[in-house]
Amino acid sequence: EDQVTQSPEALRLQEGESSSLNCSYTVSGLRGLFWYRQDPGKGPEFLFTLYSAGEEKEKERLKATLTKKESFLHITAPKPEDSATYLCAPQSSLGAQKLVFGQGTRLTINP
Amino acid sequence: DVKVTQSSRYLVKRTGEKVFLECVQDMDHENMFWYRQDPGLGLRLIYFSYDVKMKEKGDIPEGYSVSREKKERFSLILESASTNQTSMYLCASSSHNTEAFFGQGTRLTVV
Repeated sequence: EDQVTQSPEALRLQEGESSSLNCSYTVSGLRGLFWYRQDPGKGPEFLFTLYSAGEEKEKERLKATLTKKESFLHITAPKPEDSATYLCAPQSSLGAQKLVFGQGTRLTINP
Repeated sequence: DVKVTQSSRYLVKRTGEKVFLECVQDMDHENMFWYRQDPGLGLRLIYFSYDVKMKEKGDIPEGYSVSREKKERFSLILESASTNQTSMYLCASSSHNTEAFFGQGTRLTVV
């Protein structure tokens, strides 16, 4: 059964304090791994797709990386507007194209 | 700009009522999904559809049904609403092997 675990559940940082969020996954043949950002009361917003181990993607202060068992979302010099819940979702290459989400990391950046 | 539109942002229904949640996408996507999101439980897949009139159960289909008569529209039906179905409901759509786009969500309260 496909499984995904995100850690930590919550993270509080000072503005400018860099850190990383973790997504550990077990899927039968990874088709891709997706990262989303979700603001309170809104639907998740797509950030990145990673397809193979060693791949990296960047967007502003965010960088996502992928290994065979984990993905990391690195946040460099974050700002208060980066506060959100970050979700990862690996997608299996076997069977139907459903996405299974982790429970997310709730990130708070204090000014 | 891609768009997934859910018919209501907020909904209050009585126990035992039949409830319809509607979702429309304008991207000609093959796949559509219904999730519910609850604090501490993350996003859980209820049903998904990979083509018109096709559907597959997700992880928590009990108490729900779906309908996809047209490619752009995916409806979630609560046959007899119960208080434990109070939740945030999120619709998403995707093309094959690409990221999913989410609607803004419907916050359903069953009283």
